[in-house]
Amino acid sequence: EDKVVQSPLSLVVHEGDTVTLNCSYEVTNFRSLLWYKQEKKAPTFLFMLTSSGIEKKSGRLSSILDKKELSSILNITATQTGDSAIYLCAVDRTGGTSYGKLTFGQGTILTVHP
Amino acid sequence: EAQVTQNPRYLITVTGKKLTVTCSQNMNHEYMSWYRQDPGLGLRQIYYSMNVEVTDKGDVPEGYKVSRKEKRNFPLILESPSPNQTSLYFCASSPTHPRDTQYFGPGTRLTVL
Repeated sequence: EDKVVQSPLSLVVHEGDTVTLNCSYEVTNFRSLLWYKQEKKAPTFLFMLTSSGIEKKSGRLSSILDKKELSSILNITATQTGDSAIYLCAVDRTGGTSYGKLTFGQGTILTVHP
Repeated sequence: EAQVTQNPRYLITVTGKKLTVTCSQNMNHEYMSWYRQDPGLGLRQIYYSMNVEVTDKGDVPEGYKVSRKEKRNFPLILESPSPNQTSLYFCASSPTHPRDTQYFGPGTRLTVL
């Protein structure tokens, strides 16, 4: 059965700290891994990582895909209170009967205190 | 304005009373999907649709039905709701595939008593 597991489930830090969120997967026909940020409302897209693009960076956020270890990390440097959110990773597939299916992890709740 | 709309936003109902949650997008997207979100479980995909008249099961389809008769609409139907379907539901759409940027609706909070 396909699985996506995130850790830690919850994290509390102070402004200025650096955090690393983890996502590991066991998925048939893996194609790409996506990261989303969810504040009080609906999720918003952050990054997509595939075997042809295993590192992405946007401002203080960066993400790496490790295809050998079947995992990804999301780094946030110099955290701010506005980074407080649930961070979700998801995995999609190349084809077969599950083409179009998206499997999410449980999410990591990040709280940044001033 | 490009958006995904869901109705209703909040619903309290009783066990067994059929209900429909509507979802509509105005971006001419081919791909649409329904998710439910429960504490500690992240988002779980219920059903998705790659295009009109094409729907497939996600990870948790039991107790739900969908239809995609037109490109813009993707209603979620609960024929006989039960308390374990109490959840926050999101509809989403993307141009062709979920790996494209998905646009999420505002969510529907459903309580089944």
